[in-house]
Amino acid sequence: SAVISQKPSRDICQRGTSLTIQCQVDSQVTMMFWYRQQPGQSLTLIATANQGSEATYESGFVIDKFPISRPNLTFSTLTVSNMSPEDSSIYLCSVGGDSYEQYFGPGTRLTVT
Amino acid sequence: AQKITQTQPGMFVQEKEAVTLDCTYDTSDPSYGLFWYKQPSSGEMIFLIYQGSYDQQNATEGRYSLNFQKARKSANLVISASQLGDSAMYFCAMRDLNDYKLSFGAGTTVTVRA
Repeated sequence: SAVISQKPSRDICQRGTSLTIQCQVDSQVTMMFWYRQQPGQSLTLIATANQGSEATYESGFVIDKFPISRPNLTFSTLTVSNMSPEDSSIYLCSVGGDSYEQYFGPGTRLTVT
Repeated sequence: AQKITQTQPGMFVQEKEAVTLDCTYDTSDPSYGLFWYKQPSSGEMIFLIYQGSYDQQNATEGRYSLNFQKARKSANLVISASQLGDSAMYFCAMRDLNDYKLSFGAGTTVTVRA
């Protein structure tokens, strides 16, 4: 199984600022995903990050608000831009590939004040 | 479009007893995968068990088993011999085997009582 780390684990940010979340995997993976979990809610997919191409965003999420980078097969970043209190959530990266298993990082707990 | 339904928002179970968490799904894809994850209060998502749509036998992983009824489109999770550490939120999820994106149900909170 893949070991996934995320930085930061949590942060408290002022509205209007941006935060970049890092996701590091201990092995090369084809696909990486970013999910958001708002308080008391289920997980919602933000985007799929593929190495060497633009991220693919789900309905309701846009690149200007959530720019994503995927510079290689083991790393990705998600930026939450121009934050508002509604962006307070847990952000999780996930990896998938040929294996049926799909794993998640420990999550980044973001609070926007 | 895929849809996952978990109708039990919360459940209580006595320690050492078994508990069944319900999950139904809807998809038009013939190939799909069904997952269960555990999310403790720390927020991490812990993979528990997987069932492929073509798997003939129900999946088992230790104290976790998946009761897969394909015709009814249900994939219930059974946790046997509950432990206090099983108290958490449990999510059912489905993935189209072509794009690896997961769709999640609303989750069920399990509280194990001593």
